[in-house]
Amino acid sequence: DGGITQSPKYLFRKEGQNVTLSCEQNLNHDAMYWYRQDPGQGLRLIYYSQIVNDFQKGDIAEGYSVSREKKESFPLTVTSAQKNPTAFYLCASSQQRDGSPLHFGNGTRLTVT
Amino acid sequence: GENVEQHPSTLSVQEGDSAVIKCTYSDSASNYFPWYKQELGKGPQLIIDIRSNVGEKKDQRIAVTLNKTAKHFSLHITETQPEDSAVYFCAASLNTGNQFYFGTGTSLTVIP
Repeated sequence: DGGITQSPKYLFRKEGQNVTLSCEQNLNHDAMYWYRQDPGQGLRLIYYSQIVNDFQKGDIAEGYSVSREKKESFPLTVTSAQKNPTAFYLCASSQQRDGSPLHFGNGTRLTVT
Repeated sequence: GENVEQHPSTLSVQEGDSAVIKCTYSDSASNYFPWYKQELGKGPQLIIDIRSNVGEKKDQRIAVTLNKTAKHFSLHITETQPEDSAVYFCAASLNTGNQFYFGTGTSLTVIP
């Protein structure tokens, strides 16, 4: 079955540590995205990539970094510079055509203490 | 940039009744409007979408309407069932870059 796989589902880290969230897709989509979801705030865009080896900052990129070395993979690193990293993180992908919907993974819940 | 507002934030209906969720957007260049359903602990799933050249679209119990002049679009769920209980998000997409702007979500509860 084609889809987006995020791992792990739950992640716990101590404050001051960097942590990397995995996102893999087998939909052959060119574009991939990372969103952060907090209660009552909807989905906010962290980074997106429209092609391999290229990515752009979204609305809340500070404290995060990404790479896009392969079409299928778009890992997100939450660095120690992120002031409030505890959240639900969603990865998505889409075709590179106007009007193509986002396909989401099932998310990673990160808790930093 | 684009701004999407969604109302209400919570909605409770009796099973069998209809539910309506409304969204407004600010950028007249937006031309694609998907709706997503998110169940607890899962990622959002696309349930219906509409493009700017269409005024209404229906898929069984779900329908979406779009008023480009007023810049608002709505989700209508008829004959609601308990499994419709979830958080629903609207979104608007601009013509360039395939970026999406989301509403803040509506938590729908269908009471058996």
